[in-house]
Amino acid sequence: ELKVEQNPLFLSMQEGKNYTIYCNYSTTSDRLYWYRQDPGKSLESLFVLLSNGAVKQEGRLMASLDTKARLSTLHITAAVHDLSATYFCAVNSGGGADGLTFGKGTHLIIQP
Amino acid sequence: KAGVTQTPRYLIKTRGQQVTLSCSPISGHRSVSWYQQTPGQGLQFLFEYFSETQRNKGNFPGRFSGRQFSNSRSEMNVSTLELGDSALYLCASTLLTGGRGYTFGSGTRLTVV
Repeated sequence: ELKVEQNPLFLSMQEGKNYTIYCNYSTTSDRLYWYRQDPGKSLESLFVLLSNGAVKQEGRLMASLDTKARLSTLHITAAVHDLSATYFCAVNSGGGADGLTFGKGTHLIIQP
Repeated sequence: KAGVTQTPRYLIKTRGQQVTLSCSPISGHRSVSWYQQTPGQGLQFLFEYFSETQRNKGNFPGRFSGRQFSNSRSEMNVSTLELGDSALYLCASTLLTGGRGYTFGSGTRLTVV
């Protein structure tokens, strides 16, 4: 059974600081996804990581994937209040046919 | 380009009733999957459809069912509703090929009373 663990689950930080969210998964997966969810809203796609060593950046967010370690990171640089949200990582194990297995999410609060 | 459309946005049902939720994927997307989100269990995979065929199913009781039509629109049905079925139900569509991700709809918030 594929398991996905995120840490931390809660994170309160100040604007301007850097931080990293970690996502570990238990079995081989061919793609990893990062999503953002604002309260009461749906999931917004941030990144799709397809191969070992993949790194993608969008604004103050950067995601990377190490398939050997079964680890992905989401790095936040110089955080701003607008990045406050819950961030989920998700993986699927079978070429997209198995549906996504999500982590529990990291609830991020960035204080001005 | 229109996104994934889910209807209705909100539903209140009584225990024992049944409910049908609808999802229209992005034009050209033939894969549709459904997820349940609750505060306690988080996001859980329900099932995925491709070309009108269910390709995989999550660990949910048989009360949860779905189908996909020839135009790729999908419905999910929950029969004999229980209080624990109260959740946000999310639908996602994808091309499956080309390394693109899943695009989620706004969800249907189901409350069972």
